[in-house]
Amino acid sequence: NAGVTQTPKFQVLKTGQSMTLQCAQDMNHEYMSWYRQDPGMGLRLIHYSVGAGITDQGEVPNGYNVSRSTTEDFPLRLLSAAPSQTSVYFCASTPAGGNSPLHFGNGTRLTVT
Amino acid sequence: AQTVTQSQPEMSVQEAETVTLSCTYDTSESDYYLFWYKQPPSRQMILVIRQEAYKQQNATENRFSVNFQKAAKSFSLKISDSQLGDAAMYFCAYRRNNNAGNMLTFGGGTRLMVKP
Repeated sequence: NAGVTQTPKFQVLKTGQSMTLQCAQDMNHEYMSWYRQDPGMGLRLIHYSVGAGITDQGEVPNGYNVSRSTTEDFPLRLLSAAPSQTSVYFCASTPAGGNSPLHFGNGTRLTVT
Repeated sequence: AQTVTQSQPEMSVQEAETVTLSCTYDTSESDYYLFWYKQPPSRQMILVIRQEAYKQQNATENRFSVNFQKAAKSFSLKISDSQLGDAAMYFCAYRRNNNAGNMLTFGGGTRLMVKP
């Protein structure tokens, strides 16, 4: 049982490049989400999904796309990277309902030059 | 929209002593959950403690306890007998109940330093 697995751990992109951050969970959780962490601002929600085929925007969705074709996977796509997207990205999953806490991946540190 | 505020960017405590981290939140909801997460230098997000708003009793987990004041919308974390391994960033987080996706709203964090 690996929990939430994020790849890669580190990435450097040039402005305008695209890439996909991968996220997979093996706990059969219904809900998955992406957050970004910037200094002094805590974590902010980018996109989330309540099940396969269903996604919605969070607080800071611009410049990012997501899809959820399976329960296990929830990739985050940067369409045209910008320096403002330099951040640490966390994927999380949780069962539906109740007070279940989020289970986080170990994060991806992305630098856009 | 809900907001979570952590007014102490940095705190310092002597090993074996007690420290309290502050958190306030703003919501019009009556049914919600509150969480404290720890983030050590490894970057991992670790759940420390959670509190259901409908429970009057403050949550405790070993050396960690909370002071939940619902009317004041305050949720502080007390760490007793501080250890070097407690040094980390601590984030307070809020979740409305019946929240599709179980999304969290986070505070800006408090960096805790533990002096030997």
